Amino acid sequence: AQSVTQPDIHITVSEGASLELRCNYSYGATPYLFWYVQSPGQGLQLLLKYFSGDTLVQGIKGFEAEFKRSQSSFNLRKPSVHWSDAAEYFCAVSNFGNEKLTFGTGTRLTIIP
Amino acid sequence: GAVVSQHPSWVICKSGTSVKIECRSLDFQATTMFWYRQFPKQSLMLMATSNEGSKATYEQGVEKDKFLINHASLTLSTLTVTSAHPEDSSFYICSARDLVSGGYEQFFGPGTRLTVL
Repeated sequence: AQSVTQPDIHITVSEGASLELRCNYSYGATPYLFWYVQSPGQGLQLLLKYFSGDTLVQGIKGFEAEFKRSQSSFNLRKPSVHWSDAAEYFCAVSNFGNEKLTFGTGTRLTIIP
Repeated sequence: GAVVSQHPSWVICKSGTSVKIECRSLDFQATTMFWYRQFPKQSLMLMATSNEGSKATYEQGVEKDKFLINHASLTLSTLTVTSAHPEDSSFYICSARDLVSGGYEQFFGPGTRLTVL
């Protein structure tokens, strides 16, 4: 069964600093990988996705993620965070032929001035 | 494009009553819709997958007689929580995808907060 691990439950970053949120997945075949952001009481917004091709994926709001097969990772990065980036971030995985999304437990991002 | 709406956004009901939540794809045809449940400060757990015109497929541990799902059209799926109890209080989120277009991406609704008194 596929699984997703987000080892960091809560991260605090200063505004303007760089950010990296970790995501590791467990699945035998080539995964489809996603990062979603959720503001309090809201649904999920897709930041970026990886299906195939270039392993460095650019997303919305200045986010990017890099797929590293050897490390089974898909870490999310942003060079300079803004106060509006404070939210919950979820990594998710599915694969061709299996439409179900499996979510990680999420990482809560707090931004301090 | 690819907008999914949910109605209502929040609902409070008495224990023992039934509550219906609607999920609509506004600008695309959703061949498949998904229903998730999210407890406070936790991740999303898939409850069921529904394909238009067929019965929903429920995840292990989800009571199909309690959580009735109907996907009667390509733009609407409903989740009915029957005989609701306080432990059913949660945030319910739907998502939709359009397999015809070849997309594997799921588009999420804004969620419905259910509180059972």
